[in-house]
Amino acid sequence: GAVVSQHPSWVICKSGTSVKIECRSLDFQATTMFWYRQFPKQSLMLMATSNEGSKATYEQGVEKDKFLINHASLTLSTLTVTSAHPEDSSFYICSASKGMISNQPQHFGDGTRLSIL
Amino acid sequence: RKEVEQDPGPFNVPEGATVAFNCTYSNSASQSFFWYRQDCRKEPKLLMSVYSSGNEDGRFTAQLNRASQYISLLIRDSKLSDSATYLCVVSQGNKLVFGAGTILRVKS
Repeated sequence: GAVVSQHPSWVICKSGTSVKIECRSLDFQATTMFWYRQFPKQSLMLMATSNEGSKATYEQGVEKDKFLINHASLTLSTLTVTSAHPEDSSFYICSASKGMISNQPQHFGDGTRLSIL
Repeated sequence: RKEVEQDPGPFNVPEGATVAFNCTYSNSASQSFFWYRQDCRKEPKLLMSVYSSGNEDGRFTAQLNRASQYISLLIRDSKLSDSATYLCVVSQGNKLVFGAGTILRVKS
């Protein structure tokens, strides 16, 4: 069964709306979760590393004020796309692992398909 | 230059065929290596880790050449259900870097 739950799976909304996506680890505590974005026919691109109890670490080129990340507990991280525009339409996926990324498999959420009209 | 490069394909093969995918990575400090599988509009799922000694899991064989910074995946006796996008992934520090994927289509 799934070990990482992501919600919602599909969002369609008007330009200017803020959208919140939740990522939960279901049967383990994750001090670190990762948020990725994938455009059609492109690779998953890491947006930010979400750290429980501290600020997220954003990748170069990702606006932290645009993509707000909150990791308030060991099992929940949220990504809020603020004032979303059509160019933000993409597939957003979170992941978490039970240990170090180099020797533990990453468990991915089902992804959220965001469409901004 | 992309950090992880793959031939996008698609590779169109008949059932039962053997198919090989290659991948190169640019950062010699990469520590761990994986093949993930991604079905259309779905999340990636780990297929197998890749070790220098080579490793096999049923019909799948993966190989790593650190000197050449090259990773391969061999699929024998292809099944229709193998149709998917195969992602080459490397770890750098506490991050995963994904290739854009190679599309495999297995046809009857």
